[in-house]
Amino acid sequence: QQQVKQSPQSLIVQKGGISIINCAYENTAFDYFPWYQQFPGKGPALLIAIRPDVSEKKEGRFTISFNKSAKQFSLHIMDSQPGDSATYFCAASSHNQGGKLIFGQGTELSVKP
Amino acid sequence: KAGVTQTPRYLIKTRGQQVTLSCSPISGHRSVSWYQQTPGQGLQFLFEYFSETQRNKGNFPGRFSGRQFSNSRSEMNVSTLELGDSALYLCASSTGPKAGAFFGQGTRLTVV
Repeated sequence: QQQVKQSPQSLIVQKGGISIINCAYENTAFDYFPWYQQFPGKGPALLIAIRPDVSEKKEGRFTISFNKSAKQFSLHIMDSQPGDSATYFCAASSHNQGGKLIFGQGTELSVKP
Repeated sequence: KAGVTQTPRYLIKTRGQQVTLSCSPISGHRSVSWYQQTPGQGLQFLFEYFSETQRNKGNFPGRFSGRQFSNSRSEMNVSTLELGDSALYLCASSTGPKAGAFFGQGTRLTVV
């Protein structure tokens, strides 16, 4: 019940295209859903986050869509660029578990020029 | 503001030894969490400290321990190292739940 399932495992997108990464969870106590971007040799960097009272959040080219009834959320990267090539992780946490984040398995995104 | 600083960046240890990793959080952040990252298991939560108290613990053996000091700096210790402990150990700091956790660059531990 603590798992967060992420798909796809890897993704290849052409420059200018839309990258879509999906995550699903079971624990209805989760109330905070961040996305992280990780480049090789670096720690994960917080990209964007959403709470379940909002269905969509947009920051620049990055958008989170959240479907509370389906217990799913997704990251959309518009106008994908080669510099977006990285591993992306979704995560979830619940307020009664403090700062504990449960991470998805990650998606390796490659944006081709 | 300086980011989360982890030291050392790289470490090579022998089986059976112990190791201590250090984390300095972002100024003003009182919550520090530790994660283990491996290719097979991904990112797994080790423990979280808030105001010098362990607030949460993941499913790791007792060989993994940590502490937090009054200035919010944190250390984690792994005793009796095993080959399977080879991983990237990441520290994250935040002001609290749902405030966003910010990660350091990690310590790459190799056990030989």
